[in-house]
Amino acid sequence: GQSLEQPSEVTAVEGAIVQINCTYQTSGFYGLSWYQQHDGGAPTFLSYNALDGLEETGRFSSFLSRSDSYGYLLLQELQMKDSASYFCAVRDPGNTGKLIFGQGTTLQVKP
Amino acid sequence: EAQVTQNPRYLITVTGKKLTVTCSQNMNHEYMSWYRQDPGLGLRQIYYSMNVEVTDKGDVPEGYKVSRKEKRNFPLILESPSPNQTSLYFCASSLYSRDRGLRGYTFGSGTRLTVV
Repeated sequence: GQSLEQPSEVTAVEGAIVQINCTYQTSGFYGLSWYQQHDGGAPTFLSYNALDGLEETGRFSSFLSRSDSYGYLLLQELQMKDSASYFCAVRDPGNTGKLIFGQGTTLQVKP
Repeated sequence: EAQVTQNPRYLITVTGKKLTVTCSQNMNHEYMSWYRQDPGLGLRQIYYSMNVEVTDKGDVPEGYKVSRKEKRNFPLILESPSPNQTSLYFCASSLYSRDRGLRGYTFGSGTRLTVV
């Protein structure tokens, strides 16, 4: 089966850098993606890594190591509005569109 | 504006009273899916559709029905709702290809359903 593990909570201060890790187990790998969800809101797509290395999108970067079955989301210059839940996700190889989500990491940014 | 529209946003209903949550997307996406989100359980797929008239069960399909008569619409039907279906529901869509599903999942704003 497929499973993802990420920390349940992370706390950081405004202006700092925070890293949210994700390890995965899957029988077929098609890439790792990240979503952000503010409390009660819709998940929104942040980034996607199909190959090893770092992808940068503004203040957010995502990293993947396929050999380690590991990825992380890096948030720089944290702002209060970054307080949200962050989910990593992989695609179920048996269903070409289904996403399997991690349990989510709640990021709290403090002043 | 490209979007997935769900209605209603909030719904309180009684056990056994049939209800439909609508979902519509304007991006010409082939793939649509319903997820429910519960504390401690994360996002779980209920049903999905790869195109018009093609639907299949996800991980938690019991008590739900769907239909895909048009490409843009994918309603979720609860024939006889029960309290354990109280949850936050999301509709999502994406282009159908091997990697697009990971890149471009667009979610609706969610429907918070309470069954009493």
